[in-house]
Amino acid sequence: DTGVSQDPRHKITKRGQNVTFRCDPISEHNRLYWYRQTLGQGPEFLTYFQNEAQLEKSRLLSDRFSAERPKGSFSTLEIQRTEQGDSAMYLCASSSQGEGTDTQYFGPGTRLTVL
Amino acid sequence: GEDVEQSLFLSVREGDSSVINCTYTDSSSTYLYWYKQEPGAGLQLLTYIFSNMDMKQDQRLTVLLNKKDKHLSLRIADTQTGDSAIYFCAETRNTGFQKLVFGTGTRLLVSP
Repeated sequence: DTGVSQDPRHKITKRGQNVTFRCDPISEHNRLYWYRQTLGQGPEFLTYFQNEAQLEKSRLLSDRFSAERPKGSFSTLEIQRTEQGDSAMYLCASSSQGEGTDTQYFGPGTRLTVL
Repeated sequence: GEDVEQSLFLSVREGDSSVINCTYTDSSSTYLYWYKQEPGAGLQLLTYIFSNMDMKQDQRLTVLLNKKDKHLSLRIADTQTGDSAIYFCAETRNTGFQKLVFGTGTRLLVSP
């Protein structure tokens, strides 16, 4: 299967710990996005990469959050000094700029629980 | 307002049609999307419509777009129990790339 994959699928951590999530986009998709979804809500945009360049960050992305896409392929999202309010599903999506609709395809998500 | 709005809940019987409604905010949205989310899973793309279209049909799915009222709907014909899920509409905010802005989702429950 060549869809978007995310790892891990679930992460439980204690408040104050650092966590890192990985996203592997669909092959040759040059655009990659991170979203956060809290319980009962729709996903909210966090950040966007075109190739390796991070071109936009939401104000939701505090300075405890950092995202990278070093070689324009997979991406990582790190949260430092986690807080209980960081508990959410973190979704990754990818798209191809060359495709007319630029449709975003989502991965299965990483569910983070901060105790 | 800034929010994409959807009704929270819809219950139908198996075999009936389901209609899920959405009101969006950005009149310049190029594409409007419908995604499906099953419990504990990511979002599955169902269909999308280009803003210059009024209707799009894809097998059991029919999307209607009323640009004047900024209203989008998704009709599922012959609804099955496997269609039970949360359905999200999303508009695109064109800020150099297509940023998706989602509604809060409509939970569809299909009973036998």
